[in-house]
Amino acid sequence: DIVMTQSPLSLPVTPGEPASISCRSSQSLLHSNGYNFLHWYLQKPGQSPQLLIYLGSNRASGVPDRFSGSGSGTDFTLEISRVEAEDVGVYYCMHALQVPVTFGQGTRLEIK
Amino acid sequence: QVQLQQSGPGLVKPSQTLSLTCAISGDSVSSNSVTWNWVRQSPSRGLEWLGSTYYWSKWYNDYAESVKGRITINPDTSRNHFSLQLNSVTPDDTAMYYCVRYQHSPRYFDYWGQGTLVTVSS
Repeated sequence: DIVMTQSPLSLPVTPGEPASISCRSSQSLLHSNGYNFLHWYLQKPGQSPQLLIYLGSNRASGVPDRFSGSGSGTDFTLEISRVEAEDVGVYYCMHALQVPVTFGQGTRLEIK
Repeated sequence: QVQLQQSGPGLVKPSQTLSLTCAISGDSVSSNSVTWNWVRQSPSRGLEWLGSTYYWSKWYNDYAESVKGRITINPDTSRNHFSLQLNSVTPDDTAMYYCVRYQHSPRYFDYWGQGTLVTVSS
């Protein structure tokens, strides 16, 4: 199975400041079709996870443009340009290159 | 708009069978561009994909190695739902269980059920 490793695991951020989360995979997620099968999810307190970014860098419908994703192969980054209070929760990366899909451990973002 | 509504008991005794159902609205369990999945979440295991059922000319299942031999996921076309059965449960199976739709292209989970907290305890 592909192992997904996130850092940091805890991220305290002042509102209005940027935030960055790293995700590394144990093997390349770049498919021969040119897509990176890496997605980002946010689980807000008491809710199910929701899709934020798909295929490494595409924002899901309704996701604010302060969220962006980048990276290729085995190294990926989720960035929030200016953190807002509503961004608190746990962020997960997930690969979808093969079965089984696997998730990172999660990064808990909290407001300072 | 797709909605997934989960139902089932929140408490199961050790060695018994965990059974959950996921009712689908806004899509069909027989849709051939998606798969229907169960994912669980616990402090010890994090988010863990358990398995899926899908219809691509015929019915298929995929299961995680960690639960293979104990798990069954079945579609019910008459009720437009799918179910999870996990046999011989132990306290290690205590988790929040989610039913989730997976889009085959571009391969992501897009709709999640509300979650069911299942505790395995006598």
